[in-house]
Amino acid sequence: AQSVTQLDSHVSVSEGTPVLLRCNYSSSYSPSLFWYVQHPNKGLQLLLKYTSAATLVKGINGFEAEFKKSETSFHLTKPSAHMSDAAEYFCVVSDPESTGGGNKLTFGTGTQLKVEL
Amino acid sequence: GAVVSQHPSRVICKSGTSVKIECRSLDFQATTMFWYRQFPKKSLMLMATSNEGSKATYEQGVEKDKFLINHASLTLSTLTVTSAHPEDSSFYICSALTSGGPNEQFFGPGTRLTVL
Repeated sequence: AQSVTQLDSHVSVSEGTPVLLRCNYSSSYSPSLFWYVQHPNKGLQLLLKYTSAATLVKGINGFEAEFKKSETSFHLTKPSAHMSDAAEYFCVVSDPESTGGGNKLTFGTGTQLKVEL
Repeated sequence: GAVVSQHPSRVICKSGTSVKIECRSLDFQATTMFWYRQFPKKSLMLMATSNEGSKATYEQGVEKDKFLINHASLTLSTLTVTSAHPEDSSFYICSALTSGGPNEQFFGPGTRLTVL
């Protein structure tokens, strides 16, 4: 079985300061990992994904995440937060070898990012 | 990226009535679509996998007779909440899976259902 734990339900940062959103996963196989962002009244948007290539993954809008197998972590970072980054962020895992052909996504509980002036 | 739409974006209905929600892939064909439910301040929970031309696969604990799924074409899947009750009030989100290359799910904007 696969699962994802997002350690912080809320994170608040000042504009221009670094962002760190934490995610730990549990998977029986070599997982694919994703970060999605959800803005109010908009669909989920893929920020980045890890699929067993480079462990440091760069995504859109300056976000990146590092896959650390030894720590079973996939934390999301950004060097400098912008007001437009305020949203809900979801860490997501899928197991390519699990039933469902790897397309079944398991979502974390989400982290609400607040960016203050 | 690929675009997925949902209609309606919001719906309010009376208890006991049925509500249909549409999910469309606008610029690609999707043999597989997914339906999720999101409770306030909670994660997305997969309800079912919708396969074009065949029966949907429901997750454990999801009543298939209550949440009817039809995937009649490669660009449209519908979710019908039958005999809705207040506890069915939620945010329903669909996604469509691309094919013919790296598979990726594109999500619709969601439908807010309120049952009075």
